[in-house]
Amino acid sequence: KNEVEQSPQNLTAQEGEFITINCSYSVGISALHWLQQHPGGGIVSLFMLSSGKKKHGRLIATINIQEKHSSLHITASHPRDSAVYICAVRPNTGNQFYFGTGTSLTVIP
Amino acid sequence: DGGITQSPKYLFRKEGQNVTLSCEQNLNHDAMYWYRQDPGQGLRLIYYSQIVNDFQKGDIAEGYSVSREKKESFPLTVTSAQKNPTAFYLCASSSQEGGIQYFGAGTRLSVL
Repeated sequence: KNEVEQSPQNLTAQEGEFITINCSYSVGISALHWLQQHPGGGIVSLFMLSSGKKKHGRLIATINIQEKHSSLHITASHPRDSAVYICAVRPNTGNQFYFGTGTSLTVIP
Repeated sequence: DGGITQSPKYLFRKEGQNVTLSCEQNLNHDAMYWYRQDPGQGLRLIYYSQIVNDFQKGDIAEGYSVSREKKESFPLTVTSAQKNPTAFYLCASSSQEGGIQYFGAGTRLSVL
């Protein structure tokens, strides 16, 4: 059973498009983590948030705790944004993170 | 440069053999983690350690062992008891348990 669901699984966009990746979860959480995994396998932390919204460059992450939902937005997408984006949640009951299966994004020039 | 170093990048295991994956960090982080990634699945926690000389099993610890003798190092041994070891293994660390995690580049393990 996976407590974290991401959609879509795969996404192809044209360069410059606005992109939204969604994450839904089923348990009460104390934090949500967005990560980026590059084709070589390395993973980079993008955001950790527990409420509201965070922005870094062209990336924006929002979370709605009541609806158990988070979104990651990419504005003015670029081919270098092509990667797998992973959502992970930390339940209220512990410190372990549970990971979604990821959204594979391809941005075409 | 601070970071997490995993080695080797690729590793092959013969049947019945134990192999050890290395993970070293110079971020001065207390907590360290080992994850396994399989195609179509999210990362799954194998073991984690909050402090030197202490570690706890994650969701899929069977067939694996770890040690934490130094703060900087958290090696993972894939034992012969792990019947399906082929996967991508990721090590991570955080300054405190449950905090933002920083990942190594991973080790891809295959069975010969």
